[in-house]
Amino acid sequence: DAGVIQSPRHEVTEMGQEVTLRCKPISGHDYLFWYRQTMMRGLELLIYFNNNVPIDDSGMPEDRFSAKMPNASFSTLKIQPSEPRDSAVYFCASRGDDSAQAFFGQGTRLTVV
Amino acid sequence: GQQLNQSPQSMFIQEGEDVSMNCTSSSIFNTWLWYKQDPGEGPVLLIALYKAGELTSNGRLTAQFGITRKDSFLNISASIPSDVGIYFCAGQPLVPGGTSYGKLTFGQGTILTVHP
Repeated sequence: DAGVIQSPRHEVTEMGQEVTLRCKPISGHDYLFWYRQTMMRGLELLIYFNNNVPIDDSGMPEDRFSAKMPNASFSTLKIQPSEPRDSAVYFCASRGDDSAQAFFGQGTRLTVV
Repeated sequence: GQQLNQSPQSMFIQEGEDVSMNCTSSSIFNTWLWYKQDPGEGPVLLIALYKAGELTSNGRLTAQFGITRKDSFLNISASIPSDVGIYFCAGQPLVPGGTSYGKLTFGQGTILTVHP
C-alpha cells in the first residue's frame, strides 16, 4: 500500500484565494482525520470522518474551513477565503476500525501571503 | 477536553546517551501511541500501547503504559544521530460503550537533538 497520499505537498497562495487540500486514505481504513500543525499550537485535530461521515468538526477554526469526504478513497479540506494565519502544515491521517493506530500522510505545507 | 502534557519540550544529548520523555493526561486513556516526526514529513508510528502497565520495546525504544492510565513514557537507549526529530505522544480517550475508537489527542512534542 502506498500509504496516505496528500496533495499538493506545497501550496503558496494569496490572501483571499480559495485553497483545496486533498487526501487519499489507506485503502480499507474507515477513519480519516485532518490535522493542522503550527509551531505555536502543535498538532490540532480539525475534523474526522468515519465511513465518510463527519463525526467531530469541533476543531475546525471557523466557517472559512470546510471538509468533505464524498467516498471512501478521497477527502478534501477547503479554506475560503484564505488568510495569512492559515499558514501551517496540514496533515491527513487514516486508520482502520480495529486499531487506534493512525497513519499520516506527508502533509501539505500551506503559505498564505 | 483532554489535555496531554509532554515533557521535556526539548533535549540536547550526546550520541550514545539514553533518552527519556513522558506524557501525562488529565483523564484516562485506553491507548497510548508514540510517534516520531522527521523534518518535512508526517509523524510515523513507533510504538502502540493498549493495556495499563504494558511495557513494549521496538529495537532501542521502550515505552510503557502507566498503571493509572493517565501517563506513558518513552525511552531511547544508546542514541544515534538519526534519532533526531520530534517525538509525540498521543492518546485515545476511554470511550463509554467501548466499541468505537475516537480521536487521538497529541502532546506538544519533544524536540530531540543528538550531537555526534
